[in-house]
Amino acid sequence: GQQLNQSPQSMFIQEGEDVSMNCTSSSIFNTWLWYKQDPGEGPVLLIALYKAGELTSNGRLTAQFGITRKDSFLNISASIPSDVGIYFCAGQRETSGSRLTFGEGTQLTVNP
Amino acid sequence: KAGVTQTPRYLIKTRGQQVTLSCSPISGHRSVSWYQQTPGQGLQFLFEYFSETQRNKGNFPGRFSGRQFSNSRSEMNVSTLELGDSALYLCASRAVRNGGYTFGSGTRLTVV
Repeated sequence: GQQLNQSPQSMFIQEGEDVSMNCTSSSIFNTWLWYKQDPGEGPVLLIALYKAGELTSNGRLTAQFGITRKDSFLNISASIPSDVGIYFCAGQRETSGSRLTFGEGTQLTVNP
Repeated sequence: KAGVTQTPRYLIKTRGQQVTLSCSPISGHRSVSWYQQTPGQGLQFLFEYFSETQRNKGNFPGRFSGRQFSNSRSEMNVSTLELGDSALYLCASRAVRNGGYTFGSGTRLTVV
């Protein structure tokens, strides 16, 4: 099935470093969501974006809805060990109803 | 407020059997969606139910079906199981007009 292009696939960083990941698509989305998934659990919603250009923060996390509506990025500042996990972007298209299209995920490892 | 509850957490079935998975959404959430997560294909949309009606369906064979009850609880059924059906099946619910989907912890299905 179609997926969003999410990069990077994996990241290995030191505690305290900032992290940036992004998602791109050839299609326009009207909603972008960012999720984090821990092993054996379902994805947990981090940030939801509803308008092109929107910049939203949730603690140390900041995400933006691209102006073209075809991309989004997520930044994590001052990473800590509990940030370890898989981060997914998900987009919702107006023509697809409630269906979410997910990126392939970014596996984040934080070394203490 | 209780989260999305999925039962069972783990399931082992034999090829050719059928299986039923259950999902109880967050109280007040009337929309329930199902996703399949595998290492190869990532998160793929199965279907969405709202007020006991299937509102959207992904690209899965007819062996995959679902339903929603009047209390918004949902079940999905997979008949004639194949080895490739081994996956984490995730249920997500959302309130009307809220784009954020809350996922359950999933049911890990293994087909042997």
